Amino acid sequence: NAGVMQNPRHLVRRRGQEARLRCSPMKGHSHVYWYRQLPEEGLKFMVYLQKENIIDESGMPKERFSAEFPKEGPSILRIQQVVRGDSAAYFCASSPPNGGYGNQPQHFGDGTRLSIL
Amino acid sequence: GENVEQHPSTLSVQEGDSAVIKCTYSDSASNYFPWYKQELGKGPQLIIDIRSNVGEKKDQRIAVTLNKTAKHFSLHITETQPEDSAVYFCAASSTQFYFGTGTSLTVIP
Repeated sequence: NAGVMQNPRHLVRRRGQEARLRCSPMKGHSHVYWYRQLPEEGLKFMVYLQKENIIDESGMPKERFSAEFPKEGPSILRIQQVVRGDSAAYFCASSPPNGGYGNQPQHFGDGTRLSIL
Repeated sequence: GENVEQHPSTLSVQEGDSAVIKCTYSDSASNYFPWYKQELGKGPQLIIDIRSNVGEKKDQRIAVTLNKTAKHFSLHITETQPEDSAVYFCAASSTQFYFGTGTSLTVIP
């Protein structure tokens, strides 16, 4: 399956712990996007990365949240000192390297459901 | 920033009937409008998209129309089938994607 792969599918953390969510883009894609979805709501943009660069992080909270997309390996969304309000589904999407920002199809993974106890 | 509104939030149709979902956007700079289908426990799946230089696009039973002047675009599904039941999201983009709040479509056999 050459689709966007996210793991883990489900993650349970206690308040104050750290959560790490991983995303491997589709083969040949070098642009990665992270979104957050609350129940019965649409997806909210968090961050857009290319290899080793954060291009747009305007949707990501300034504290506790960080993202990276290293030269080798998957993209990581990291949430430190989690709180109950961080409970949500987090989706990763990828797009190919050609074309501009925001006008290319984005292909989504099946998400990580994060639950905070 | 962009504001995307989507209606209706829920829609039930009889199998074989048509379904229409409508979205409006606020930013005239938006130039790319994808539609996604999301099934329970899955990620959104791109089903069709349209760019601002096109007024209509069709792919089998699915069509999308765009009115740039009025800043609205619509998804049309004809001859609906039970497997079309899902949540559908529209999005508008000039840079980042802005999603609507979704329409839960139920096709009644």
